[in-house]
Amino acid sequence: RKEVEQDPGPFNVPEGATVAFNCTYSNSASQSFFWYRQDCRKEPKLLMSVYSSGNEDGRFTAQLNRASQYISLLIRDSKLSDSATYLCVVNITPGGSQGNLIFGKGTKLSVKP
Amino acid sequence: DTAVSQTPKYLVTQMGNDKSIKCEQNLGHDTMYWYKQDSKKFLKIMFSYNNKELIINETVPNRFSPKSPDKAHLNLHINSLELGDSAVYFCASSQTTRGNSETQYFGPGTRLLVL
Repeated sequence: RKEVEQDPGPFNVPEGATVAFNCTYSNSASQSFFWYRQDCRKEPKLLMSVYSSGNEDGRFTAQLNRASQYISLLIRDSKLSDSATYLCVVNITPGGSQGNLIFGKGTKLSVKP
Repeated sequence: DTAVSQTPKYLVTQMGNDKSIKCEQNLGHDTMYWYKQDSKKFLKIMFSYNNKELIINETVPNRFSPKSPDKAHLNLHINSLELGDSAVYFCASSQTTRGNSETQYFGPGTRLLVL
């Protein structure tokens, strides 16, 4: 079983749509969780951290369910500029230290006019 | 004033050659990383250095040797290049505060093609 699993997509949605990405992780000792965004032929960039209580940043909402080992990202009112690959990322190092990040393969989103 | 820079951006070379990729960060971070992203876009950590000390060394062939001359630089030397080494190599850096690593910032990547 892969450590971090995501639906690879692609998700093709019209502008203005709401889209949700899901991710599961296998290591129950995982400490911290993130969503990164990677544009085509570019480097990954942190989109947002994911907290147990759930958190929101503008049109983006992230949720974590530790019991189910499940992370989600919701994007509301999709923009053309949201087109990218979204990477689910888990830190498995005890105490969350030293940044041993495990990346999922990513979910590709394409927002169409 | 690029935060994390890598050179070269593109590298095309023959099998069996030895090559190096350089990485520099001007963020004042104390931890640096090398990742490999293969043709299936799977991003996987290779090495991590904290204050010039190796702290993560994943299962990577010993043809790959990282070197950190100071905490702002982490170079990757690859001996006897193989076809399977073709990938994008990303450098990243972060600051470790009270034992916890903060956000990782990635360089633009080095696209290596081994012929």
